[in-house]
Amino acid sequence: DTEVTQTPKHLVMGMTNKKSLKCEQHMGHRAMYWYKQKAKKPPELMFVYSYEKLSINESVPSRFSPECPNSSLLNLHLHALQPEDSALYLCASSQDTGMNTEAFFGQGTRLTVV
Amino acid sequence: AQTVTQSQPEMSVQEAETVTLSCTYDTSESNYYLFWYKQPPSRQMILVIRQEAYKQQNATENRFSVNFQKAAKSFSLKISDSQLGDTAMYFCAFASLSGANNLFFGTGTRLTVIP
Repeated sequence: DTEVTQTPKHLVMGMTNKKSLKCEQHMGHRAMYWYKQKAKKPPELMFVYSYEKLSINESVPSRFSPECPNSSLLNLHLHALQPEDSALYLCASSQDTGMNTEAFFGQGTRLTVV
Repeated sequence: AQTVTQSQPEMSVQEAETVTLSCTYDTSESNYYLFWYKQPPSRQMILVIRQEAYKQQNATENRFSVNFQKAAKSFSLKISDSQLGDTAMYFCAFASLSGANNLFFGTGTRLTVIP
C-alpha cells in the first residue's frame, strides 16, 4: 500500500463554518506534511509533523490548526476561513524527514470558501 | 533563500518524440536534492526522478533522465518516447540536505503530449 488518502475530495464551506480535512497513510511513515496549492501555482509547505510532533509551522495563520492523533493520521482543522484560503490542500508522507526518503502525496482536497 | 525557476509555462510534444523541460535554481548550499514531480489532472503529485547534488552522474529512470549542471545551477528533465500519459504539470523542486523534506517548488511547466 503506497497510498496517501485524503478526505473529502471537495469541500465548500462558509466563513463561519468549522470543518476538518483528513489524511491517512498505512506505510509506516513517521513524517507527514500539509501543503497548500493555489490555482496555477506550485504547492507551498504549511506544516510538518515528525513522529507525531509538529516540527515546522511555516507562519500559517491560526485559523488553520493541524493535528496528528497517531502516526497514520493527520488532520487539518479549519475555522473562520477567508475566501482567499480557497485552494487545493495536499497531504504528503515520508518514511522520515530525511531527504533520502521519497515523499508520497495524496490527491488533495479542493477547498472553496464562500 | 532558495528559488526555483521554470521558464517554460507550457510545452507540447508529439507522441513518441523527445522533450526537455528546463529548471534553474539558486542556493548557497553545497549539498541538496533536486526533484521533478508530475501532477496529472488527478491532482496527485508523483515523483518522477531525484538527483543528489553530490552525485555527478545524472539520474535516469526509464524514459526520464536529467541533465544536472551544478556549476550552472541547472536541472533539466528529458522525456524520451513521450506517451499520452505524460500529459501533466511538471514541477521542479529543491530541498536542502538538512531540510525536513521541505520542498521548494518551481512554478511548473504544463506539458501536453499530442497524439
